[in-house]
Amino acid sequence: SYELTQPPSVSVSPGQTARITCSGDRLGDKDVSWYHQRPGQSPVVVIHQNNQRPSGISERFSGSTSGNTATLIISGTQAMDEADFYCQVWDINVAVFGGGTKLTVL
Amino acid sequence: QVQLQESGPGLVKPSETLSLTCTVSGISINPYYWSWIRQAPGKGLEWIGYIYYTVSTSYNPSLKSRVTISLDMPKNQFSLTLTSVTAADTAIYFCAREYTGNYHDGFDLWGQGTLVTVSS
Repeated sequence: SYELTQPPSVSVSPGQTARITCSGDRLGDKDVSWYHQRPGQSPVVVIHQNNQRPSGISERFSGSTSGNTATLIISGTQAMDEADFYCQVWDINVAVFGGGTKLTVL
Repeated sequence: QVQLQESGPGLVKPSETLSLTCTVSGISINPYYWSWIRQAPGKGLEWIGYIYYTVSTSYNPSLKSRVTISLDMPKNQFSLTLTSVTAADTAIYFCAREYTGNYHDGFDLWGQGTLVTVSS
């Protein structure tokens, strides 16, 4: 079965740029979505189709892909960005989530 | 305003069947892909399966033998049935919609989630 790998945690200082990676075999052939999830809340999509930002999502969120790695980039990180982040793709007709990355804003 | 609301028992006994319903309000249930996704306490997201219209389904291979997802168009609802549950099925269960019914994309709408505990 297809697998996505994310680092368990990423730390960033306020105002700096956070980069959260997601790796998987032939990931560049797939469309990647990213979600953030605050404790006790439902996930919210922040990027879909690799780099498309939904309406209402801050311009500080962007996505990129290169080879087998997708990256969620959060510029000017704020305390409110602290959350768990998940990448997700479709492998034919099966949705696959990465294990999640806890973003800590120090 | 579009809303997804999960409903069903919060406690299920081991070996019994878990049944949940997602009620969709504010939009027609067609022609989108509708999924069930769960999250065990302190763990990550696990996709369970989807339904598209009333006849097209796909399930997580690890759960396929125990899962059925069905859709009730007149009621604008879709449902999850998971048989032979164990403590490992204890999780928050979310229903969610994909952006479009034309191809697979991200999940743009989520319910608030409902906690199901498997315990005797």
